Amino acid sequence: GAVVSQHPSWVICKSGTSVKIECRSLDFQATTMFWYRQFPKQSLMLMATSNEGSKATYEQGVEKDKFLINHASLTLSTLTVTSAHPEDSSFYICSAGEKRIKQGETQYFGPGTRLLVL
Amino acid sequence: GENVEQHPSTLSVQEGDSAVIKCTYSDSASNYFPWYKQELGKGPQLIIDIRSNVGEKKDQRIAVTLNKTAKHFSLHITETQPEDSAVYFCAASELTGGGNKLTFGTGTQLKVEL
Repeated sequence: GAVVSQHPSWVICKSGTSVKIECRSLDFQATTMFWYRQFPKQSLMLMATSNEGSKATYEQGVEKDKFLINHASLTLSTLTVTSAHPEDSSFYICSAGEKRIKQGETQYFGPGTRLLVL
Repeated sequence: GENVEQHPSTLSVQEGDSAVIKCTYSDSASNYFPWYKQELGKGPQLIIDIRSNVGEKKDQRIAVTLNKTAKHFSLHITETQPEDSAVYFCAASELTGGGNKLTFGTGTQLKVEL
């Protein structure tokens, strides 16, 4: 159980185009989803916290107009990188929070999406 | 905000030996401490977690200990195997109104040599 999928797993796009990444919790409902960015040999950097039906909360320094997040249902969140540039090339990973009674919330991660902007 | 430090950054052990990775956190309000294993090109995989109401948790070859007073927690892997080679991240959670926001350590590259 607690499986999170991401699509696509990798994408190459031209500079100036927009790219949408989907994150789905396959076997549980996630009221909260998180989007991270990871550069090679570095830790995960939280970009934003997404709650179903409400606006995402962005971390300091993350441009909300650049990285659009939509959390339309309890099992789906999307991240759209708008007008992508080479410096946006990175490994994007989502996670979904599963709440269990008396155990609080546990985050499960998707497999990640590698974005290369040419 | 929370700050998590992780040591060592790299760790090389012989197969069958034990490996220990240590983390410290700064926010005494943090009450949830997961450990993730990340293989190259993949997303992090939860391997074990501990909540602040217990001091130790074990799952087969993996154990985690927590010292709330000193604000540090450790991952212990016994009888290491080559497939344990990966990057391990510790994290501390600050429970917010929108969910558990994780602050990650900088990661430990574990290499298990034959």
